[in-house]
Amino acid sequence: KAGVTQTPRYLIKTRGQQVTLSCSPISGHRSVSWYQQTPGQGLQFLFEYFSETQRNKGNFPGRFSGRQFSNSRSEMNVSTLELGDSALYLCASGQPEETQYFGPGTRLLVL
Amino acid sequence: GQNIDQPTEMTATEGAIVQINCTYQTSGFNGLFWYQQHAGEAPTFLSYNVLDGLEEKGRFSSFLSRSKGYSYLLLKELQMKDSASYLCAVRGTGNTPLVFGKGTRLSVIA
Repeated sequence: KAGVTQTPRYLIKTRGQQVTLSCSPISGHRSVSWYQQTPGQGLQFLFEYFSETQRNKGNFPGRFSGRQFSNSRSEMNVSTLELGDSALYLCASGQPEETQYFGPGTRLLVL
Repeated sequence: GQNIDQPTEMTATEGAIVQINCTYQTSGFNGLFWYQQHAGEAPTFLSYNVLDGLEEKGRFSSFLSRSKGYSYLLLKELQMKDSASYLCAVRGTGNTPLVFGKGTRLSVIA
């Protein structure tokens, strides 16, 4: 079975721009969660989607949004990028309330 | 709310045994996970505990005490490739997401 895939793997943007990241879960997994990882804060939960519905949302500003499609693929969007948004963005898939499996992440650098 | 504590860094010698502790305070509990993350890579699943006791998986074991809000990950016969960050994560009850600790960076030295 193929693992979780994320695109792009690396991204450089400037302040004020917006970015869209994509995640394809493991086949059969219907839950997709997004996390932001920074050296100082560790892994912080952004949101979780299941069956195209947002089940949970972390404590991030409204500039961070996401969605899930009928094939379980998910995207997250960050608008009006700030320097502090530079991070590794990780997507994880699984079945609800079961083990989550992580993708390789998208490393975003905001200049 | 939920709070998860684990040591920031540990160092151990190749071939030795190391125990990484994790304490948690949650409003509900529905399982504790350990993940391994090598530098620049994604976290990979190591173990899951939902009942008290020890779960063994090869060189790695994980222990849980729900009454104490405590878990540890035990790594035996340490190898250089075990140098990584180890993340403890807890799932609360109901429809709540995983909450991660900040991770323990383990350095294995010769």
